[in-house]
Amino acid sequence: NAGVTQTPKFQVLKTGQSMTLQCAQDMNHEYMSWYRQDPGMGLRLIHYSVGAGITDQGEVPNGYNVSRSTTEDFPLRLLSAAPSQTSVYFCASTTGGDRTQETQYFGPGTRLLVL
Amino acid sequence: AQSVTQLGSHVSVSEGALVLLRCNYSSSVPPYLFWYVQYPNQGLQLLLKYTSAATLVKGINGFEAEFKKSETSFHLTKPSAHMSDAAEYFCAVSYGGSQGNLIFGKGTKLSVKP
Repeated sequence: NAGVTQTPKFQVLKTGQSMTLQCAQDMNHEYMSWYRQDPGMGLRLIHYSVGAGITDQGEVPNGYNVSRSTTEDFPLRLLSAAPSQTSVYFCASTTGGDRTQETQYFGPGTRLLVL
Repeated sequence: AQSVTQLGSHVSVSEGALVLLRCNYSSSVPPYLFWYVQYPNQGLQLLLKYTSAATLVKGINGFEAEFKKSETSFHLTKPSAHMSDAAEYFCAVSYGGSQGNLIFGKGTKLSVKP
């Protein structure tokens, strides 16, 4: 298994540009989520999905859109990039079933710089 | 509302010394608690988790944490630090129905001096 993969690894955008951060997992996990990590802030949940066709907002959803058309993929879209969205973005997927047995797997991250 | 506070953004210890990273939580329901480690330019790796079974939880790389309800704490310890333990450590609490919704602390960067 490749686990959780993210592309690109690094991206530079100009203010106002749009882009999609890709996330894919090959573990057949129903639950996927997006976090952003900023210095001194820890990780904050942007959006999550409990299965194909179902998404919901996390702590910091403004400026981001998501969709979940397949179990494997969970792309994150920035419609009009702003410098405040400069961050490292992590995608994660979680095994389902018994909560005591759940394990969350993180991707390697995408570093985004908005000028 | 649930929250996590990590005391100390930077902790420095000598190799072989005790590692103690502090985490306090606030939760209106019985929490699930986690410690993650992040090495430079990498993603997060789960060290250990508390899911209401045993209050003393053992994780990977010799780390353990004790859930203390009376103190609302979940501090991470390791008896003897190794140089390879230098990394950033995050405490997190889950809300909702899954570990997938995590609230993270701001992180503690651990330095290990030779």
